[in-house]
Formats: sequence, C-alpha cells, structure tokens
Amino acid sequence: AQKVTQAQTEISVVEKEDVTLDCVYETRDTTYYLFWYKQPPSGELVFLIRRNSFDEQNEISGRYSWNFQKSTSSFNFTITASQVVDSAVYFCALSEARGGGSEKLVFGKGTKLTVNP
Amino acid sequence: ETGVTQTPRHLVMGMTNKKSLKCEQHLGHNAMYWYKQSAKKPLELMFVYSLEERVENNSVPSRFSPECPNSSHLFLHLHTLQPEDSALYLCASSHTLLYNTEAFFGQGTRLTVV
Repeated sequence: AQKVTQAQTEISVVEKEDVTLDCVYETRDTTYYLFWYKQPPSGELVFLIRRNSFDEQNEISGRYSWNFQKSTSSFNFTITASQVVDSAVYFCALSEARGGGSEKLVFGKGTKLTVNP
Repeated sequence: ETGVTQTPRHLVMGMTNKKSLKCEQHLGHNAMYWYKQSAKKPLELMFVYSLEERVENNSVPSRFSPECPNSSHLFLHLHTLQPEDSALYLCASSHTLLYNTEAFFGQGTRLTVV
C-alpha cells in the first residue's frame, strides 16, 4: 500500500532562515510520481513540483529545491532564505501507476510552516 | 483566478438540511475529484470522475452524493450529515486520470455541521 509520512507537523522559522521539510514514502511499485503542494491560508492547494521515480536529479527553482533519494525513500523540500509569504501548509504526495489510467494521489498529513518577520 | 472555482466558500448546515457544493473548472480538464480535509488528517479522496463517469468511490457514506453533469462541473449533494462531517471539501481537476498528472485545486468549501 502507498504511504506518505511527513513527520514534522509544524515548523516555525525566522525570515531568511533556510528550512527543510521532510517527506518519506512507501510504495511497492517501481514506477511512481512524487509531488509537493502548497496550501496557503486561502485554502487551495498549489502544485509545486512533480518528480518521477526514474529521475533522481535534484531540482532547484528559485529559492525552492528538492532532494529525491530512492535509497532512503525520501523527497525533501528546502526553502532557502525563507520569506513570510512562504507561510503555508506543505503537502507531499505519491501517485502510483495503476494501469487503466486510474490515478490515486496519496497525501501526507502536511507540514505547517510559519515564517516570522 | 485559480481555474477551479468552488461555491459556496463557507457553509453552515443543520443535520437535517440538504445542501449542495458546486465546483467548476475552466481548464478543459477531463477528470474531477472531491477531497475531504479534516483537521490533523491527510487529505481523503472521496470521488473521482473521468469524462463525467464516476471511476472511484472510496467507501464514502451515502449521505454524500456526487454528480457530474458535464466535464466542467461537479457537485456534491449533502443530506442528513453528522457533526464529524465538518471539514474543508476540496474539488480538484486534472487533464487526465494518468498518475503523472498534477491536479489543480479549488479554494474549498468550509463546511460546518451543527
């Protein structure tokens, strides 16, 4: 069965600090996708990144970076020089190839990040 | 505008009421979803529609009844709800049902059952 664990329930940092959000996943499939979503106070989940199981290259997008390590089944997310606008709940999610085109996105419980001025 | 619009944003209803949540997407997507987000729980997938046909129903109680009249609209009809059904209900859409497709979410309806 799929499972996504975000062990950090809440994190609080001061602006300009770097912060890493952890995500550990479980799957029996060799083919799967990992996602990160951001949920600001307004409620909607905003897609941040998608990474397939065959691509372990780390990715950087501005102040955001992602570290995918299959050996430890982790897909961690780092925000560099955090800003108040980064305050949100961040969700890691896993989707397996199930055949027949049926998608099931399994989410972790989320990590609430608060960036204080 | 997010592309996925949910109404109402907030809803308070009694246990004997009947109400409906509406979701509309302007992205030309073929798949739509209902998720439930309760405090301190992972997002729970409730229903999945692809090309207006329900393809998944995750053991959701019958007091929740989805309807997808066309690929742009999704409803969640509610009746005789319980207080534990209070949650944020999120609608999402994706281009297809393929597992590698990202979903786009609405802002949700905050439902309180009293």
